[in-house]
Amino acid sequence: GQSLEQPSEVTAVEGAIVQINCTYQTSGFYGLSWYQQHDGGAPTFLSYNALDGLEETGRFSSFLSRSDSYGYLLLQELQMKDSASYFCAVRVRDGGATNKLIFGTGTLLAVQP
Amino acid sequence: GAGVSQSPSNKVTEKGKDVELRCDPISGHTALYWYRQSLGQGLEFLIYFQGNSAPDKSGLPSDRFSAERTGGSVSTLTIQRTQQEDSAVYLCASSRGQGVYEQFFGPGTRLTVL
Repeated sequence: GQSLEQPSEVTAVEGAIVQINCTYQTSGFYGLSWYQQHDGGAPTFLSYNALDGLEETGRFSSFLSRSDSYGYLLLQELQMKDSASYFCAVRVRDGGATNKLIFGTGTLLAVQP
Repeated sequence: GAGVSQSPSNKVTEKGKDVELRCDPISGHTALYWYRQSLGQGLEFLIYFQGNSAPDKSGLPSDRFSAERTGGSVSTLTIQRTQQEDSAVYLCASSRGQGVYEQFFGPGTRLTVL
């Protein structure tokens, strides 16, 4: 089957750096995405890695190692508004649907002053 | 431009009733997805539409769930004979095409089955 693991909660202080890890076991792997969801809001896309290495977008970076079935999201210069749930999602090919996403259970990030 | 919209935003129903949830994707997006999110949980894939291709229904939890997409745009998710375990937020998302990895989500419909 398809499964993803990420920590359920992470706490950090404003201005700090935090890393949220994601390990996965899937077949038909295409790439790893990260989504942010504020309480009561819709998930919003943060990043996507199809190849090994680091992708940087402003304060957020995402890393993928396909050989280790592992990725992480790195958030720098944390701000209070970064308090949210972060989901890793694996893009898989399953019966021909190349854009199917399998989501992890999410990591609740609490940023403290 | 307008984002993905869903209606209603909240739906309270009695066990055994049928419900219909609507999704209007972003104009021009050919791919449309339905997910279910239970309280404090991740997103559970339900169904995926891509253009005129047959939908991927592999995530539908039972035959009480069905979805259609008319004219390649608006989609309706129907749950028949609702059960209390169907209570969740139902999220719709769209993307520009099959090979595009970024999905745009609507605000969701919160379904409560009493």
